[in-house]
Amino acid sequence: DAKTTQPPSMDCAEGRAANLPCNHSTISGNEYVYWYRQIHSQGPQYIIHGLKNNETNEMASLIITEDRKSSTLILPHATLRDTAVYYCIVRVDPSLGKLVFGAGTILRVKS
Amino acid sequence: GAVVSQHPSWVICKSGTSVKIECRSLDFQATTMFWYRQFPKQSLMLMATSNEGSKATYEQGVEKDKFLINHASLTLSTLTVTSAHPEDSSFYICSATTGTSASYEQYFGPGTRLTVT
Repeated sequence: DAKTTQPPSMDCAEGRAANLPCNHSTISGNEYVYWYRQIHSQGPQYIIHGLKNNETNEMASLIITEDRKSSTLILPHATLRDTAVYYCIVRVDPSLGKLVFGAGTILRVKS
Repeated sequence: GAVVSQHPSWVICKSGTSVKIECRSLDFQATTMFWYRQFPKQSLMLMATSNEGSKATYEQGVEKDKFLINHASLTLSTLTVTSAHPEDSSFYICSATTGTSASYEQYFGPGTRLTVT
C-alpha cells in the first residue's frame, strides 16, 4: 500500500473549518484514500473514503487532487469533540480489508 | 449502523496468567475480523487477520502461540494473551468487516486496555 505523509499536529479554532492535508505521492490507480479518526482511548472511527472524485458526507468532505498525489479532509465547522488523531490511509485492495495506520495528525480544536 | 463491542473494556492481570478478550459484531455478520495493538502515544499496529472458521493470519513479528485468535462464528472473535508479561500491557482493538460492500468498510470496537502487573 502507498505510504502517506501527514503533519504531526494542527490546531483549529472552534467553529472554523479544519483542513487536514495528506500526501500520497506513490498512490496507484486502484488505491482508495481512507480517513479515520481516533478520539483518546477509543477505537478508530471511519470518516470518509474516495478513489478519485471528491466526496462529502455528514461528517466531512474529501478533496482529492487531480493527480491523486494528495488529498485534504475538511471538517466544515470543527467542534471541541472533533479533537482527535486523524489517520489518512491508502489501501490497494479493499477486499483484503487490511488497514495500515501511520502516525496521523493530532487535531486540537480550541475554543 | 454497524456496531462492534469488546469485552472487557479493561483488565488487570498478574504476570504469567492468560487473558481472553472478546470482539463481537452486534448487528451484522463479520466475515473478517482484525486485531490491533496500540502502545501509548503510538499508532495502531495490526497483529492478525481472522476469517470465520479458518486459522488467523499473523503479521510479521507477532507470536501466534502467544496471541491465540479464534473466530468461531460470524459474530465473535477472541484474542487470548497467553502467559502475559508487563510488556504485553497495551490497548487492544478489534475491527470487523462485512465484506459485502465495494469498499469493505471496517468497524472498530472501543478497545480493551490490558495492564499486566
